[in-house]
Amino acid sequence: QSALTQPASVSGSPGQSITISCTGTSSDVGIYNHVSWYQQHPGKAPKLMIYDVSNRPSGVSNRFSGSKSGNTASLTISGLQADDEADYYCSSYTGSSTLYVFGTGTKVTVL
Amino acid sequence: QVQLVQSGAEVKKPGASVKVSCKASGYTFSDYYIHWVRQSLGQGLEWMGRINPNSGGINYAQKFQGRVTMTRDTSISTAYMQLSKLRSDDTAVYFCARGSSWFFYFDHWGQGTLVTASS
Repeated sequence: QSALTQPASVSGSPGQSITISCTGTSSDVGIYNHVSWYQQHPGKAPKLMIYDVSNRPSGVSNRFSGSKSGNTASLTISGLQADDEADYYCSSYTGSSTLYVFGTGTKVTVL
Repeated sequence: QVQLVQSGAEVKKPGASVKVSCKASGYTFSDYYIHWVRQSLGQGLEWMGRINPNSGGINYAQKFQGRVTMTRDTSISTAYMQLSKLRSDDTAVYFCARGSSWFFYFDHWGQGTLVTASS
């Protein structure tokens, strides 16, 4: 099971919107609506931001939104803030013996 | 509040085994899976496997089959992950995370345990 493909880095100015892509295959992202997104600040544990493609857990800002088209899922952060600067990982359920696969990770920089 | 508290950092020699614990609180331990995810230094996340604390049922990632053992002790709400035949490239931070049979994501995470495999 190969890692999902994400851009290594994305940047934006405060207040702008950015989108991070997460490309998988027809065996994971393309077939299951179980894509989740995690935010990780340096030295910290990941934090769930989006689950099942587009759902936000309680307490997560509505500036974070998710979507999916075919084998590619996307995370959009609108109204970019300094604290959004972090690494972001997508994950998908696969249904295979290796049940979950993560993305390669994207470093978001707020200019 | 849900908390997963992991054991402290470990330094092991190549070829040895390491056992990391994950103590759960704030919820009914048997009602949720515990997953293990590792992150090599400066690298991405990698799913290792999960255990169902209620049944003891386990799923391991293909990559770790034969080297990883996941167990639990429901009397103390604690899950364990043992990795054997350590290599230098097993040096990583190991996280436990909560999951479920009815959802497909990881909603709470432990703080991580650094395991260093070095001679």
